[in-house]
Amino acid sequence: RKEVEQDPGPFNVPEGATVAFNCTYSNSASQSFFWYRQDCRKEPKLLMSVYSSGNEDGRFTAQLNRASQYISLLIRDSKLSDSATYLCVVRSLPGTYKYIFGTGTRLKVLA
Amino acid sequence: DAGVIQSPRHEVTEMGQEVTLRCKPISGHNSLFWYRQTMMRGLELLIYFNNNVPIDDSGMPEDRFSAKMPNASFSTLKIQPSEPRDSAVYFCASSLSSSGQPYQPQHFGDGTRLSIL
Repeated sequence: RKEVEQDPGPFNVPEGATVAFNCTYSNSASQSFFWYRQDCRKEPKLLMSVYSSGNEDGRFTAQLNRASQYISLLIRDSKLSDSATYLCVVRSLPGTYKYIFGTGTRLKVLA
Repeated sequence: DAGVIQSPRHEVTEMGQEVTLRCKPISGHNSLFWYRQTMMRGLELLIYFNNNVPIDDSGMPEDRFSAKMPNASFSTLKIQPSEPRDSAVYFCASSLSSSGQPYQPQHFGDGTRLSIL
């Protein structure tokens, strides 16, 4: 089983739709969680960190469910510019410096 | 603020040549990571350093690859000799790693697009 798993998609949604991605992780001791966005032929960029109580940044909401070992990303009122690959990232253990990346979920927002 | 700086942005060279990729992490960051990304294999961690010391190089494909971090502001990834299958985008990333600050994310450079002919 992979340490971090994501549905590769693609998710094709119309503009204005709400879309949600999930990501599961295998190590229950994982401590830190992030969502990154990667545009075609560009570097991954931090979208948001995911905190235990959940957090929101504009149209984006991230949630953490430790009991079920998954994190989620919700995008409301999706824009054409949201089209990208969304990468789930987990930092496994306290004191471990590695970041474990999922393979990403492709989102395409259609006009 | 300056981000992670990588050079060159593009490199095209012939098989067998030595290739050196360079990275300057964000000032104050103490962890540095080298990744390789291809369509087939996705994003792969090659090696990472903490406080200039290599911590895990298990992702380095083979002996042709080597990485150094002589000081806190510079790292190199070298391929010698290069092969066509090394063609990929190579990313460098840095972060502040501290057990007291678990939410520190990584920041990536623009990447080096490497083509081996």
